[in-house]
This record gives sequence, structure tokens and C-alpha cells, in this order.
Amino acid sequence: DAKTTQPNSMESNEEEPVHLPCNHSTISGTDYIHWYRQLPSQGPEYVIHGLTSNVNNRMASLAIAEDRKSSTLILHRATLRDAAVYYCILRNNNAGNMLTFGGGTRLMVKP
Amino acid sequence: EAQVTQNPRYLITVTGKKLTVTCSQNMNHEYMSWYRQDPGLGLRQIYYSMNVEVTDKGDVPEGYKVSRKEKRNFPLILESPSPNQTSLYFCASSTWLSGANVLTFGAGSRLTVL
Repeated sequence: DAKTTQPNSMESNEEEPVHLPCNHSTISGTDYIHWYRQLPSQGPEYVIHGLTSNVNNRMASLAIAEDRKSSTLILHRATLRDAAVYYCILRNNNAGNMLTFGGGTRLMVKP
Repeated sequence: EAQVTQNPRYLITVTGKKLTVTCSQNMNHEYMSWYRQDPGLGLRQIYYSMNVEVTDKGDVPEGYKVSRKEKRNFPLILESPSPNQTSLYFCASSTWLSGANVLTFGAGSRLTVL
């Protein structure tokens, strides 16, 4: 799988937007960009995914650069419950095995 | 409620005593997998299963066995546990969503091998 690079940690204030960056300069044309998050003492949780176009769902938005070499997960209004480790992962559907998780970004939300 | 259920959630055992961690999903997913999570190493895949009676090794299969006799269950078996298998284990199942496989994880099973 192509590698992703994320900052180790980020801080945000509650109720402010958060932009979590991810670089993936070696992405291939068939790689989907997935985001998962892991809250303390829980299993990872799917957040959003996309291929080329920006995506929105009830949890977040995903902005994908035109050259697809980077993407940004956007939490529109951070809450304390959004404090978690956020993983950006690339995955080609043709492969048999599943997602490979890197180190992720630990998001801290201050009240 | 759609979910992946793992048991036990916590277990302390001794070296060499066989144990099984069960995993069950109620979403009729074909694909299931096991991960282990260790500090500094992230989540690493142990085994996965594309469907009933079809299993394959992930990145770190040594010391583990799995079986997939029915769609909903995917147990992880440690025939002779060793201390280096002390870890947090996650089971996951997946389904297709908007063109990609999306995983649903269980709550985790924390295993300590003394």
C-alpha cells in the first residue's frame, strides 16, 4: 500500500473547525482515501472515504487535492467527544487484505 | 443494532494455555479480519477471511489460527500463547460502501499472557 504521512498530534478548541492533513504523494489512481478514528478505549471507527471528489457525511468532510497527493479531513465544529486518534489510509479495492493503519494524528480538543 | 461482538473483553492467561477469542457480526458481512494493536506499532492485521471457509494470513499471523465455518463467526485461536502475544485485539467485518470496503470494528479484547 502507498504510504501516508500525518502529523503526530494536533490541538483544537471546542466548537471550532479542525483540519487534519494527510500527505500521500505515492497514491495510485485506484487508491481510495479512507479516514478512521479511534476514541480512547474503543475500536477504530469509520469516518469517511473518497476517491477524487470532495465528500461530505454527517461526521465530517473530506477535501481531496486535485492531484490527489494530499487530503484533509474537516471536522466542522470540534467537540470534546472528537478527541481521538485519526488515521488516514489508502486502499486499493483489488487487494485481498484490508486496511493498513499508520500512526495517525492524535487530536486534542480543549474546552 | 449492527455490531461486531468480541469475547472476552479482558483476559489474563499463562504461557501455553490454549485460548480462543470469539468474534461475531450481525451484519451478514462476507469479509472479516483480526488485528492486534501494540504501542508504537499501530494496528497490524493477523488474519482475514473473504468468506466462509476462506481464510488468509495478514501481516503478523505467527502463533495464531482462525476458522470461518459460518459467515457470522470468526474466532481467533492462540494454541500456545506466549508473552509476546500480550496485546489489544480487534475483530472487524466489512461491507461495500460507495465503491470501497468499509470496516466495522469490535470493542477490542485485551489479552495478557504471563
